[in-house]
Amino acid sequence: GESVGLHLPTLSVQEGDNSIINCAYSNSASDYFIWYKQESGKGPQFIIDIRSNMDKRQGQRVTVLLNKTVKHLSLQIAATQPGDSAVYFCAEDAGGTSYGKLTFGQGTILTVHP
Amino acid sequence: NAGVTQTPKFQVLKTGQSMTLQCAQDMNHNSMYWYRQDPGMGLRLIYYSASEGTTDKGEVPNGYNVSRLNKREFSLRLESAAPSQTSVYFCASSEGTGNTDTQYFGPGTRLTVL
Repeated sequence: GESVGLHLPTLSVQEGDNSIINCAYSNSASDYFIWYKQESGKGPQFIIDIRSNMDKRQGQRVTVLLNKTVKHLSLQIAATQPGDSAVYFCAEDAGGTSYGKLTFGQGTILTVHP
Repeated sequence: NAGVTQTPKFQVLKTGQSMTLQCAQDMNHNSMYWYRQDPGMGLRLIYYSASEGTTDKGEVPNGYNVSRLNKREFSLRLESAAPSQTSVYFCASSEGTGNTDTQYFGPGTRLTVL
């Protein structure tokens, strides 16, 4: 079946650095992508999303880039802070009859060192 | 506005016991979802309800049943718990309007089946 996966399971950065978390997806029909942040013992928290008709979207300190040619999604966090330490998941929605049924990647553990 | 709430937070069952996980949302969302998350993995969809009165199977529905009690509440039932159902269970809701449909998650229920 279709899947969403991450290249790196862990990422360690220094406070103040920029972080980039990558995600590969295989379903070319997916038209909506979301990044979630999950802190220990909590549910996933929405960070940012992007539709397939866009290639970049910016939020507060976060940017999502979508490259449909190579089916690649990335999350950039600027000036990473210790509070950004968490597991980050990408998720895709194939739309159509699969609308609302998200497929999640395995997650990347981001550790920010002060 | 509490968002998505789940009860209980923790539960230990013996093999063969039954239980119901409760979920409620106060955002007037149409769609609700149940996921499970196993260690080191992303979330997998168990069941979802696109709107009040409808339910559909997700990726891993076996061993579970759901009830969309009303617009606010969506429960997940394990009729005969098995150790393979040890997991963290998350409920989510979304507007379900057909556009970019962000899902908002509850804090989770940590279930152990002995």
